[in-house]
Amino acid sequence: AQSVAQPEDQVNVAEGNPLTVKCTYSVSGNPYLFWYVQYPNRGLQFLLKYITGDNLVKGSYGFEAEFNKSQTSFHLKKPSALVSDSALYFCAVSPVHTGRRALTFGSGTRLQVQP
Amino acid sequence: GAGVSQTPSNKVTEKGKYVELRCDPISGHTALYWYRQSLGQGPEFLIYFQGTGAADDSGLPNDRFFAVRPEGSVSTLKIQRTERGDSAVYLCASSFSTATSGGNTGELFFGEGSRLTVL
Repeated sequence: AQSVAQPEDQVNVAEGNPLTVKCTYSVSGNPYLFWYVQYPNRGLQFLLKYITGDNLVKGSYGFEAEFNKSQTSFHLKKPSALVSDSALYFCAVSPVHTGRRALTFGSGTRLQVQP
Repeated sequence: GAGVSQTPSNKVTEKGKYVELRCDPISGHTALYWYRQSLGQGPEFLIYFQGTGAADDSGLPNDRFFAVRPEGSVSTLKIQRTERGDSAVYLCASSFSTATSGGNTGELFFGEGSRLTVL
């Protein structure tokens, strides 16, 4: 069975500073990896995904994520945080060839960007 | 509308009652998913439809939960004999079909959810 771990319940960062939200995963075989963001009283929104190819994936709103197969990680990053980035972030995984095709989500990390 | 629509947005019911939650996916999306999100948790998979059929219902917690998608578009999640522990936000998502290949490569488009409160 696949699983996702987001070890930090909350990440605090000052506006203008770089941010990292951590994610590690466990699947049989190769993974498809995703990041979603949830703003208050809004549905989850897709940010970016890793399917194949370049390990560094760029997504919406200036976010990027790096796939590291040896460390089974897919950390979300942004060079310069904005107050408007404050939200709940979810990492998700789907195995390539076996197991459940629906995405399995982590428990989420709340990002708080201080002005 | 252009997005995934879920109704009702809020539902308050009493323990033991029957509840239906509706999802209207994005037009043309053949895959439809139901998730449940409890406070402070990530979305928990319930069931996945490919067209009219349930391709994976392994996330349904017990036989009180059932979902249908009779015409391959709108889906209804049905909960019988509701319990207080069923209280959560029920999320629906849709995507283009990925059934022809292993894994799910397509991004999911989520609705805003139906908040169920069982008193």
